Amino acid sequence: DAGVTQSPTHLIKTRGQQVTLRCSPISGHKSVSWYQQVLGQGPQFIFQYYEKEERGRGNFPDRFSARQFPNYSSELNVNALLLGDSALYLCASSLGWDHGYTFGSGTRLTVV
Amino acid sequence: QQQVKQSPQSLIVQKGGISIINCAYENTAFDYFPWYQQFPGKGPALLIAIRPDVSEKKEGRFTISFNKSAKQFSLHIMDSQPGDSATYFCAASAYSGAGSYQLTFGKGTKLSVIP
Repeated sequence: DAGVTQSPTHLIKTRGQQVTLRCSPISGHKSVSWYQQVLGQGPQFIFQYYEKEERGRGNFPDRFSARQFPNYSSELNVNALLLGDSALYLCASSLGWDHGYTFGSGTRLTVV
Repeated sequence: QQQVKQSPQSLIVQKGGISIINCAYENTAFDYFPWYQQFPGKGPALLIAIRPDVSEKKEGRFTISFNKSAKQFSLHIMDSQPGDSATYFCAASAYSGAGSYQLTFGKGTKLSVIP
């Protein structure tokens, strides 16, 4: 079975630009979450989508947005990039709240 | 703010020894406690998880001990091997209803197992 797939794997952007990251969940998983992991820290929750609706939002500015499509894939958009947005962006999918989350390998975003 | 505090920050263990990582939480609404293992350049991988109605769970060389009254839980890695060298994260989750749930992570423990 394919795991959670994320694209692209690496990305370099300039300050002020916009970026779109993509995620395909494990087949049958209806919940997709996004996390930001800064080097040396634990992942921080950004968004959760379940059945194509936003179910949770972490403490991130409005420059961050996301959506989930009818096939349960998801996109994370970040506008007006700042140097501090440089991080590993992780997507996770789940069957349910206590079924565990399966993470993708992430997208490494570098803002210069 | 929901927090999960993890210690130690780093840990060096001899091959064959026991690795112990501890976590403490504040929010009593947390009801699912997973541990993740992360290798460089990879996403976190679920190792083992526990719910608060159980005090201990064992899977192979990995054991979670859970103390609900103290709001603490720990990961024990028995017979630690060099291949176990990775960063370990504890996490906690609470179901908020309507399909809403999120993981709160600790800051991680970098484990090095030396031969």
